[in-house]
Amino acid sequence: EAGVTQFPSHSVIEKGQTVTLRCDPISGHDNLYWYRRVMGKEIKFLLHFVKESKQDESGMPNNRFLAERTGGTYSTLKVQPAELEDSGVYFCASSPEQGFGNTIYFGEGSWLTVV
Amino acid sequence: RKEVEQDPGPFNVPEGATVAFNCTYSNSASQSFFWYRQDCRKEPKLLMSVYSSGNEDGRFTAQLNRASQYISLLIRDSKLSDSATYLCVVNPSSGGYNKLIFGAGTRLAVHP
Repeated sequence: EAGVTQFPSHSVIEKGQTVTLRCDPISGHDNLYWYRRVMGKEIKFLLHFVKESKQDESGMPNNRFLAERTGGTYSTLKVQPAELEDSGVYFCASSPEQGFGNTIYFGEGSWLTVV
Repeated sequence: RKEVEQDPGPFNVPEGATVAFNCTYSNSASQSFFWYRQDCRKEPKLLMSVYSSGNEDGRFTAQLNRASQYISLLIRDSKLSDSATYLCVVNPSSGGYNKLIFGAGTRLAVHP
């Protein structure tokens, strides 16, 4: 069974440009999460989808970030315009259903460098 | 104050050693607790959940002290392959969904 896949694995863009990250969760997983780790910091929650609905977007840093999950399958995270402090690794994760102790599975991450 | 605090290390230990990591969390209402392992430039992977009664999985033992808001991980008989960053993770949600709060991680380096 395929795991959580993310694209691109690495991206280098200039400040002010736009980048769109894509995440394909494990098939059948209703819950999809975005997390990110910026340089020198811990991994932080960005938002959570249940199917196509945003359950919690309290971790989104500002309105330059837009996440979508049309159709409740794959998700995109767009950063527009990108700033230097957006550099880091963006992890997507998915889980089959809500509940304590329910394991979530992380993708390998999309490494973003803004220059 | 960070929500989850860990000693960043690194812990440099010889093969066969026993090593212990500690973690404290600030939200007393936190519901579930985990240790994740992250290899260099890889995604975090669940190592084990942590239960109030303490739990063991092979060479790994996890303990939780809710009164002190303290979590620990003990690794016995360290292997070279245990070298990684160990992340203390807390789920503060009472709703049951996975809004995880990560510590910054503790680096472990096991040498021959």
